[in-house]
Amino acid sequence: GNSVTQMEGPVTLSEEAFLTINCTYTATGYPSLFWYVQYPGEGLQLLLKATKADDKGSNKGFEATYRKETTSFHLEKGSVQVSDSAVYFCALGLDSSYKLIFGSGTRLLVRP
Amino acid sequence: DAGVIQSPRHEVTEMGQEVTLRCKPISGHDYLFWYRQTMMRGLELLIYFNNNVPIDDSGMPEDRFSAKMPNASFSTLKIQPSEPRDSAVYFCASSNTLLRRNSNYGYTFGSGTRLTVV
Repeated sequence: GNSVTQMEGPVTLSEEAFLTINCTYTATGYPSLFWYVQYPGEGLQLLLKATKADDKGSNKGFEATYRKETTSFHLEKGSVQVSDSAVYFCALGLDSSYKLIFGSGTRLLVRP
Repeated sequence: DAGVIQSPRHEVTEMGQEVTLRCKPISGHDYLFWYRQTMMRGLELLIYFNNNVPIDDSGMPEDRFSAKMPNASFSTLKIQPSEPRDSAVYFCASSNTLLRRNSNYGYTFGSGTRLTVV
């Protein structure tokens, strides 16, 4: 079946530290991959996406590269800020169904 | 655009009562999704509609749950009777076919309804 696995949180970092949140997927066909972010009390917002192998999605200093050989889409940021504290969700989408399948989410806490 | 609007933001109800959650999608969007978020199960897709027609309801937990979309600007998710294990945050999201064809998906989520069943 189709699924997404994320590293468990919470991830606690100091401001300006390097961030990596791991995401791997299992899918039939060729999915598109996404990272969504959820700030406290809000709905999910699209952070970045990649639609084919070797694509790199980027936004607000975050990056993720679609790695078909390792079925991964790890989220990275070189220097996190307190305002990045949120829950991050990795997701895959299949054109055949138009459903987004989400991982369990990883909570990030950035301390000053 | 006001985005996806959900109501109420918070709902506390007693076990056995009927609960109705409401969603207004973004104008022009032809896809609407209902998700449930819990600590144990994460974010689960319950049902989604295309052009007001239910396409996949395989995620609806049981017969106590029902969803309708009487027109393009309104959808409801009903739980009758409610149980404590239904306590969760329920999200509605919308998108449209053009975004899908561009492999964008472009889901826009509402702020959610936090349901507590006591």
